[in-house]
Amino acid sequence: SQQGEEDPQALSIQEGENATMNCSYKTSINNLQWYRQNSGRGLVHLILIRSNEREKHSGRLRVTLDTSKKSSSLLITASRAADTASYFCATDGRYGQNFVFGPGTRLSVLP
Amino acid sequence: EAGVTQFPSHSVIEKGQTVTLRCDPISGHDNLYWYRRVMGKEIKFLLHFVKESKQDESGMPNNRFLAERTGGTYSTLKVQPAELEDSGVYFCASSSGLLGAFFGQGTRLTVV
Repeated sequence: SQQGEEDPQALSIQEGENATMNCSYKTSINNLQWYRQNSGRGLVHLILIRSNEREKHSGRLRVTLDTSKKSSSLLITASRAADTASYFCATDGRYGQNFVFGPGTRLSVLP
Repeated sequence: EAGVTQFPSHSVIEKGQTVTLRCDPISGHDNLYWYRRVMGKEIKFLLHFVKESKQDESGMPNNRFLAERTGGTYSTLKVQPAELEDSGVYFCASSSGLLGAFFGQGTRLTVV
């Protein structure tokens, strides 16, 4: 499996519900980032969590990082239709490797 | 502070033509990366510059792709000749190595 692999690949929820996406990776990292891409558009940086952090919040976003399990989760609370997008996690290697993206999770928030 | 900027935002070209994408990184960032997302698939690494040197170009798909970063500032990615399968979104990112990568808005390339 690939470094920075998200789970699930596609997720559909109703507006107002919470959405949780998970990401697993293989090698040691300096930090992990979550990005959003609206259809065909650019990548929007959501949040960065460092390897020595366990949890981070930003507005309706909550990211956790478990380095022992090499996994991270992104929680979007009180989802909105505008949250519909693809979400990617990206890791950078501790020894200067390039950022590796997972395949992404396609989130659909239904009104 | 200005972020990473990419130009153009969208380019439509015919198969066989040449297209040059430009990326202006955040000032002072030595690391510059190119990525692309083709046909809604994964975001794939293309190459990594450290200043003007190519640190890693293992992700370049073939010799139709040429990246340069003269002077260690902005970078260009040229596709010549373009093929249909090159269509996708090309992302550039820069990093100082400390705070993660900052991505540009991407260039959407459509080859018809």
